Amino acid sequence: DAMVIQNPRYQVTQFGKPVTLSCSQTLNHNVMYWYQQKSSQAPKLLFHYYDKDFNNEADTPDNFQSRRPNTSFCFLDIRSPGLGDAAMYLCATSRDLNQPQHFGDGTRLSIL
Amino acid sequence: RKEVEQDPGPFNVPEGATVAFNCTYSNSASQSFFWYRQDCRKEPKLLMSVYSSGNEDGRFTAQLNRASQYISLLIRDSKLSDSATYLCVVNLGNQGGKLIFGQGTELSVKP
Repeated sequence: DAMVIQNPRYQVTQFGKPVTLSCSQTLNHNVMYWYQQKSSQAPKLLFHYYDKDFNNEADTPDNFQSRRPNTSFCFLDIRSPGLGDAAMYLCATSRDLNQPQHFGDGTRLSIL
Repeated sequence: RKEVEQDPGPFNVPEGATVAFNCTYSNSASQSFFWYRQDCRKEPKLLMSVYSSGNEDGRFTAQLNRASQYISLLIRDSKLSDSATYLCVVNLGNQGGKLIFGQGTELSVKP
Protein backbone atom coordinates (compact mmCIF):
# COMPACT_ATOMS: atom_id res chain seq x y z
CA ASP A 1 0.00 0.00 0.00
CA ALA A 2 1.27 3.46 -0.89
CA MET A 3 2.40 5.34 2.19
CA VAL A 4 3.14 8.70 0.57
CA ILE A 5 0.33 9.59 -1.79
CA GLN A 6 0.41 12.44 -4.25
CA ASN A 7 -2.54 13.77 -6.16
CA PRO A 8 -3.01 14.18 -8.99
CA ARG A 9 -0.43 12.10 -10.87
CA TYR A 10 -0.66 14.48 -13.83
CA GLN A 11 -1.71 18.12 -13.70
CA VAL A 12 -2.14 20.50 -16.59
CA THR A 13 -2.63 24.18 -15.91
CA GLN A 14 -2.54 27.40 -17.85
CA PHE A 15 0.25 29.92 -17.72
CA GLY A 16 -0.40 32.14 -14.69
CA LYS A 17 -3.28 30.09 -13.29
CA PRO A 18 -2.74 29.06 -9.66
CA VAL A 19 -2.40 25.35 -9.03
CA THR A 20 -2.23 23.23 -5.88
CA LEU A 21 -0.55 19.84 -5.58
CA SER A 22 -1.42 17.51 -2.73
CA CYS A 23 0.56 15.05 -0.63
CA SER A 24 -0.61 12.81 2.17
CA GLN A 25 1.19 10.24 4.28
CA THR A 26 0.18 7.32 6.46
CA LEU A 27 3.60 6.98 8.10
CA ASN A 28 3.05 9.61 10.80
CA HIS A 29 6.43 11.07 9.92
CA ASN A 30 7.48 14.39 11.39
CA VAL A 31 9.07 15.81 8.27
CA MET A 32 7.53 16.43 4.87
CA TYR A 33 9.47 17.74 1.89
CA TRP A 34 8.69 19.10 -1.57
CA TYR A 35 11.18 18.63 -4.40
CA GLN A 36 11.15 19.79 -8.02
CA GLN A 37 12.73 17.52 -10.60
CA LYS A 38 13.23 18.54 -14.21
CA SER A 39 14.12 16.16 -17.00
CA SER A 40 17.59 14.60 -16.65
CA GLN A 41 18.27 16.57 -13.48
CA ALA A 42 18.51 15.59 -9.83
CA PRO A 43 15.61 16.46 -7.51
CA LYS A 44 15.92 19.95 -6.03
CA LEU A 45 14.56 20.68 -2.57
CA LEU A 46 12.05 23.55 -2.46
CA PHE A 47 11.12 23.49 1.24
CA HIS A 48 10.23 21.23 4.10
CA TYR A 49 8.11 21.15 7.23
CA TYR A 50 9.40 19.76 10.49
CA ASP A 51 6.09 19.26 12.23
CA LYS A 52 4.56 22.74 11.87
CA ASP A 53 7.84 24.56 11.33
CA PHE A 54 8.29 25.67 7.75
CA ASN A 55 11.78 25.81 6.25
CA ASN A 56 12.25 27.45 2.88
CA GLU A 57 15.32 26.92 0.71
CA ALA A 58 17.06 30.20 -0.06
CA ASP A 59 16.73 29.80 -3.82
CA THR A 60 13.07 28.74 -3.90
CA PRO A 61 11.08 31.37 -5.84
CA ASP A 62 8.36 33.30 -3.99
CA ASN A 63 5.92 31.85 -6.49
CA PHE A 64 6.07 28.58 -4.56
CA GLN A 65 4.26 28.30 -1.24
CA SER A 66 3.36 25.41 1.01
CA ARG A 67 0.83 24.53 3.69
CA ARG A 68 0.74 21.72 6.20
CA PRO A 69 -2.64 21.80 7.95
CA ASN A 70 -1.98 18.59 9.90
CA THR A 71 0.59 15.81 10.24
CA SER A 72 -0.79 13.83 7.31
CA PHE A 73 -1.20 16.44 4.61
CA CYS A 74 1.06 18.92 2.88
CA PHE A 75 0.24 21.10 -0.13
CA LEU A 76 2.36 22.84 -2.73
CA ASP A 77 0.81 26.02 -4.14
CA ILE A 78 2.21 27.61 -7.26
CA ARG A 79 0.70 31.08 -7.42
CA SER A 80 1.44 32.02 -11.01
CA PRO A 81 2.96 29.09 -12.90
CA GLY A 82 5.37 29.93 -15.66
CA LEU A 83 6.56 27.70 -18.48
CA GLY A 84 9.76 27.07 -16.52
CA ASP A 85 7.78 25.48 -13.69
CA ALA A 86 6.85 22.46 -15.78
CA ALA A 87 8.45 19.56 -13.93
CA MET A 88 7.86 16.53 -11.75
CA TYR A 89 7.03 17.57 -8.17
CA LEU A 90 7.97 15.03 -5.56
CA CYS A 91 6.76 14.86 -1.99
CA ALA A 92 8.85 12.96 0.54
CA THR A 93 8.62 12.20 4.24
CA SER A 94 11.04 11.11 6.94
CA ARG A 95 10.59 10.17 10.55
CA ASP A 96 13.12 12.77 11.55
CA LEU A 97 15.90 14.83 10.04
CA ASN A 98 18.81 12.72 8.79
CA GLN A 99 16.55 9.70 8.39
CA PRO A 100 15.90 8.11 4.98
CA GLN A 101 13.25 9.92 2.97
CA HIS A 102 10.37 8.09 1.31
CA PHE A 103 8.98 9.57 -1.87
CA GLY A 104 5.50 9.65 -3.32
CA ASP A 105 4.87 8.82 -6.97
CA GLY A 106 5.15 12.48 -7.93
CA THR A 107 2.90 14.87 -9.80
CA ARG A 108 3.94 15.74 -13.33
CA LEU A 109 2.97 19.34 -14.01
CA SER A 110 2.50 20.70 -17.50
CA ILE A 111 1.93 24.37 -18.30
CA LEU A 112 -0.02 25.45 -21.38
CA ARG B 1 32.87 21.47 -7.78
CA LYS B 2 29.55 19.68 -7.36
CA GLU B 3 28.59 18.68 -3.85
CA VAL B 4 27.96 15.09 -4.93
CA GLU B 5 29.61 13.68 -8.02
CA GLN B 6 28.94 10.36 -9.65
CA ASP B 7 30.43 8.34 -12.48
CA PRO B 8 29.01 9.56 -15.76
CA GLY B 9 26.87 6.92 -17.45
CA PRO B 10 25.37 5.13 -19.06
CA PHE B 11 26.66 1.73 -18.02
CA ASN B 12 25.61 -1.00 -20.45
CA VAL B 13 26.24 -4.47 -19.07
CA PRO B 14 25.09 -8.02 -19.86
CA GLU B 15 22.90 -9.98 -17.48
CA GLY B 16 24.94 -11.61 -14.76
CA ALA B 17 27.66 -8.98 -14.79
CA THR B 18 29.02 -7.24 -11.72
CA VAL B 19 28.89 -3.47 -11.89
CA ALA B 20 30.28 -0.83 -9.52
CA PHE B 21 29.21 2.77 -9.12
CA ASN B 22 31.37 5.39 -7.47
CA CYS B 23 30.45 8.63 -5.82
CA THR B 24 32.36 11.40 -4.06
CA TYR B 25 31.04 14.18 -1.86
CA SER B 26 32.64 17.49 -1.00
CA ASN B 27 31.26 18.37 2.43
CA SER B 28 33.15 16.57 5.18
CA ALA B 29 30.34 17.41 7.61
CA SER B 30 27.95 15.13 5.74
CA GLN B 31 26.23 12.84 8.15
CA SER B 32 24.25 10.21 6.34
CA PHE B 33 24.45 8.58 2.97
CA PHE B 34 22.10 6.68 0.74
CA TRP B 35 21.70 5.05 -2.63
CA TYR B 36 18.37 5.62 -4.32
CA ARG B 37 17.12 4.03 -7.49
CA GLN B 38 14.95 5.93 -9.97
CA ASP B 39 13.16 4.33 -12.90
CA CYS B 40 12.28 6.43 -15.92
CA ARG B 41 9.56 8.97 -15.07
CA LYS B 42 9.10 7.48 -11.60
CA GLU B 43 9.97 8.64 -8.10
CA PRO B 44 13.31 7.87 -6.40
CA LYS B 45 13.11 4.77 -4.23
CA LEU B 46 15.46 4.13 -1.35
CA LEU B 47 17.76 1.26 -2.23
CA MET B 48 19.90 1.27 0.87
CA SER B 49 21.51 3.43 3.50
CA VAL B 50 25.31 3.39 3.54
CA TYR B 51 27.27 2.84 6.73
CA SER B 52 30.96 3.20 7.51
CA SER B 53 31.21 -0.50 8.25
CA GLY B 54 29.81 -1.33 4.82
CA ASN B 55 26.52 -3.07 4.35
CA GLU B 56 25.08 -5.70 2.09
CA ASP B 57 21.54 -6.43 0.96
CA GLY B 58 21.36 -9.47 -1.26
CA ARG B 59 23.20 -8.70 -4.48
CA PHE B 60 23.88 -5.10 -3.44
CA THR B 61 26.86 -3.96 -1.38
CA ALA B 62 27.46 -0.38 -0.31
CA GLN B 63 30.68 1.05 1.11
CA LEU B 64 31.53 4.39 2.69
CA ASN B 65 35.00 5.82 3.15
CA ARG B 66 34.70 8.97 5.23
CA ALA B 67 38.40 9.80 5.02
CA SER B 68 38.26 9.83 1.21
CA GLN B 69 34.66 11.13 1.09
CA TYR B 70 33.82 8.29 -1.21
CA ILE B 71 30.77 6.05 -1.52
CA SER B 72 30.34 2.98 -3.69
CA LEU B 73 27.62 0.59 -4.76
CA LEU B 74 28.35 -2.87 -6.11
CA ILE B 75 25.69 -4.90 -7.89
CA ARG B 76 26.45 -8.57 -8.42
CA ASP B 77 24.72 -10.90 -10.88
CA SER B 78 22.89 -8.06 -12.64
CA LYS B 79 19.28 -8.65 -13.63
CA LEU B 80 17.32 -6.97 -16.41
CA SER B 81 15.17 -5.41 -13.68
CA ASP B 82 18.21 -3.60 -12.27
CA SER B 83 18.09 -1.23 -15.25
CA ALA B 84 17.48 2.22 -13.76
CA THR B 85 19.28 5.39 -12.72
CA TYR B 86 21.18 5.09 -9.43
CA LEU B 87 21.38 8.23 -7.34
CA CYS B 88 24.06 8.82 -4.74
CA VAL B 89 22.52 10.93 -1.98
CA VAL B 90 24.09 12.74 0.95
CA ASN B 91 22.39 14.30 3.95
CA LEU B 92 24.32 17.26 5.28
CA GLY B 93 22.71 16.95 8.68
CA ASN B 94 23.14 20.57 9.60
CA GLN B 95 20.73 21.86 6.96
CA GLY B 96 17.46 20.47 8.15
CA GLY B 97 17.70 17.07 6.60
CA LYS B 98 18.34 18.42 3.13
CA LEU B 99 19.30 15.68 0.70
CA ILE B 100 21.93 16.48 -1.89
CA PHE B 101 21.52 14.28 -4.93
CA GLY B 102 24.17 13.30 -7.39
CA GLN B 103 23.25 13.53 -11.05
CA GLY B 104 22.71 9.79 -11.18
CA THR B 105 24.30 7.01 -13.17
CA GLU B 106 22.16 5.19 -15.68
CA LEU B 107 22.45 1.42 -15.78
CA SER B 108 21.16 -0.66 -18.65
CA VAL B 109 21.31 -4.44 -18.26
CA LYS B 110 20.97 -6.31 -21.54
CA PRO B 111 19.99 -9.95 -22.15
